[in-house]
Parts: sequence; structure tokens; C-alpha cells
Amino acid sequence: GQSLEQPSEVTAVEGAIVQINCTYQTSGFYGLSWYQQHDGGAPTFLSYNGLDGLEETGRFSSFLSRSDSYGYLLLQELQMKDSASYFCAVRGPRKDSNYQLIWGAGTKLIIKP
Amino acid sequence: EAGVAQSPRYKIIEKRQSVAFWCNPISGHATLYWYQQILGQGPKLLIQFQNNGVVDDSQLPKDRFSAERLKGVDSTLKIQPAKLEDSAVYLCASSLDWLVLLRGQETQYFGPGTRLLVL
Repeated sequence: GQSLEQPSEVTAVEGAIVQINCTYQTSGFYGLSWYQQHDGGAPTFLSYNGLDGLEETGRFSSFLSRSDSYGYLLLQELQMKDSASYFCAVRGPRKDSNYQLIWGAGTKLIIKP
Repeated sequence: EAGVAQSPRYKIIEKRQSVAFWCNPISGHATLYWYQQILGQGPKLLIQFQNNGVVDDSQLPKDRFSAERLKGVDSTLKIQPAKLEDSAVYLCASSLDWLVLLRGQETQYFGPGTRLLVL
């Protein structure tokens, strides 16, 4: 079966750095994506890792280790507007999921002033 | 560039009633998705279209849910009859071409969603 695990909630202070981890179990793997969703809003794409290593986009970075089936999203210089839920998603193999994007349950990031 | 449009934004119905949601994807996007998102959970794929054909509907409760994308552009999702457990946000998303991007990055663009409450 396919599964993703990420913490349900993370709390951090404005201006700090926070890391949201994601571990996955799939029998095949075609990349790890991260999406942000504000309360009442739609998910928006943040980043994608197809290969091992770090991808940086402004204040956000995402890391992938395929050998460890592990990735993380790193948010720097936290701002209050970063308070949202963050989802990791993995594309599974054809056999089990018809290549569909499998989503984690999301991590609610709470930022305190 | 206009985003993914969905309507209505909110809907309250009683159980056993019918409801329909509409989605207009980003122009030129061949792939369209309908997701169900229950509060506190990640999106769950209900059905995926490639143009006007169904790619995957394995998680669609076909005894009560139906969806179509007749002209390969906009799409409707219907629930008939609705149950209490159908209360959720129904998200529509689109992407350029799922097959072309299968082994690479495929960014899905989401609409604002329809919040359904079944009483």
C-alpha cells in the first residue's frame, strides 16, 4: 500500500526557521511535491523534488532522500502569513495507484509573534 | 491568466437530496481532477479526466457520485443521493497534460472549492 506520514502540527516563532518532515512508503516513486493550503483556501503548489537533494525557492526549500524515503520542507524567516497547512504528496506506481498523486494528511503550521 | 473556476462556493442540502458542482479549468489544461477533502485530511482523488476521457475513477463511489467532462473543457460532479458523510470540500484542479509530465513535475492548479454540508 501507499502511505505518507507528516506531523499533524508544528509551532514556530515569527522570524525563525521550521522544518516539516515527510516520510513515505510506496512501491514506486515519481517525485515528492509540497503544497500549501490556508484555512478556507485551495492548495497551492510550493515545490517538487524528483531527484535527491535540495531545491530552493526564495524562503522555502525542499529536500529529498530517495534511499531514506524521506523529504522535508524548510521555511526560513517565518512570517505570520506562512500560517497554513502544508501537504506532502507522492506520485505512486501504476500498479497500486495508477500513478496518482497520494497526499499526506497535512501539517498545520502555527506561527506565534 | 484566469485560474480554475468552481461554483457554487457553498452548498447546504439535506441527506438524500441531489447536488451538482461545476468546474472550469485553466484554458489549455488537458487534465482535470476532482478531489474530496474532509476537514483535517489531505485531498482524496475522486476522478481524473484526460481531455474528455476518464483516466482514473477507482475511488469514486459510483453508486451515488457521477462526473462528466463532455467537451473536454468544463466538468460537473454530481452526488445523488447525498449522505451525511459527503460533507466536505470538493476541489477541482487542472494541469497541462498528465501523460507528458508523468515522470516529471506536474503542478496541479486548484480552484477555490465547494464547501458542501449535508444535514
